[in-house]
Amino acid sequence: AQRVTQPEKLLSVFKGAPVELKCNYSYSGSPELFWYVQYSRQRLQLLLRHISRESIKGFTADLNKGETSFHLKKPFAQEEDSAMYYCALSGNGGSRLTFGEGTQLTVNP
Amino acid sequence: DAGVIQSPRHEVTEMGQEVTLRCKPISGHNSLFWYRQTMMRGLELLIYFNNNVPIDDSGMPEDRFSAKMPNASFSTLKIQPSEPRDSAVYFCASSFLGANTEAFFGQGTRLTVV
Repeated sequence: AQRVTQPEKLLSVFKGAPVELKCNYSYSGSPELFWYVQYSRQRLQLLLRHISRESIKGFTADLNKGETSFHLKKPFAQEEDSAMYYCALSGNGGSRLTFGEGTQLTVNP
Repeated sequence: DAGVIQSPRHEVTEMGQEVTLRCKPISGHNSLFWYRQTMMRGLELLIYFNNNVPIDDSGMPEDRFSAKMPNASFSTLKIQPSEPRDSAVYFCASSFLGANTEAFFGQGTRLTVV
């Protein structure tokens, strides 16, 4: 079975502060991890995936297999980062995507 | 491609009525997913199809929910009879089956059952 846990439903930081959105997973095989973002009144869209090892909009995420985590980080949060963030896992070569409960990030001015 | 298209965008219906949500996936994609989004439970996978065949419907809440995919370009999610607790945003997503593939989401259907 595959499971994704995001322990924080709500996260509030001030502009310019570092932000970390936590994600832990449970999967017996080799997982593929993603972060999706949903801005207000918009559709979910892919933010980044672990295999790309890229930085998107200043966000990075490192897969830590020892801790089974895939935390999303940004050193300096911006107001436009305010959104709902979902961590997701795909296993067995793709297809089924399991999402965490989501974290609503609010960046205050 | 216009992306994943869902209709209607909003639906308000009375308890007990039948509700049908529609989805047109991205052309060429062979996996389709139906998700339900609520404040309490986040995004829940209801069912997904590969090549028009239902693979896992374990997330479907109960027999009142059913989903079909008669061809590669169309899917429906039906609730009969609807109940107030079904009120949520229902998302359809599609992807191309394979490793590390991105799922593309529709705009969602906001369902309100009164």
